Amino acid sequence: SQTIHQWPATLVQPVGSPLSLECTVEGTSNPNLYWYRQAAGRGLQLLFYSVGIGQISSEVPQNLSASRPQDRQFILSSKKLLLSDSGFYLCAWRGETQYFGPGTRLLVL
Amino acid sequence: GESVGLHLPTLSVQEGDNSIINCAYSNSASDYFIWYKQESGKGPQFIIDIRSNMDKRQGQRVTVLLNKTVKHLSLQIAATQPGDSAVYFCAENSGGSNYKLTFGKGTLLTVNP
Repeated sequence: SQTIHQWPATLVQPVGSPLSLECTVEGTSNPNLYWYRQAAGRGLQLLFYSVGIGQISSEVPQNLSASRPQDRQFILSSKKLLLSDSGFYLCAWRGETQYFGPGTRLLVL
Repeated sequence: GESVGLHLPTLSVQEGDNSIINCAYSNSASDYFIWYKQESGKGPQFIIDIRSNMDKRQGQRVTVLLNKTVKHLSLQIAATQPGDSAVYFCAENSGGSNYKLTFGKGTLLTVNP
């Protein structure tokens, strides 16, 4: 069966520091992968998606970037975090439908 | 911006009652719709989906209805249980095969024992 992992689960970072969030999927190959952000009490906003290694599409202009160095690995990064980057970050993969990981709670202070 | 919205931000029901959560979408080209359940601090969990060539689909205790004429989606939960308490999101796919989903703001369902 397929599983999706995200780490860390929680992260507190100072403004201006770098960021690296990791997402990995097991049990499938060449999946579409997605990064979403969820602000408190809000819906999910698609940030990036990838259809294959090295292929990244950005959906909204922002302070973040994404990379896909391996087939089942998707990374969300920033060189300098802003206060507005705080939120709940969710990775998802496309199987028969779209399945989500457990999320990473990011607090920028 | 978001093109999928909900009529009611909160819904409170008694245990055992049926619940209905509504959603409006604006993109008539959307071909696939999903309902997710999200518990506090967790990722969204798939509940049920429906394609645009259908108007009804049933699962275990859940039913999704799609009305393309008025661009309306609903989730019905039968015999609601305390474990059903969560935020429910509808999502639409207007991104074709890339499955770029657009989410509504969510409805908080509270089930009172």
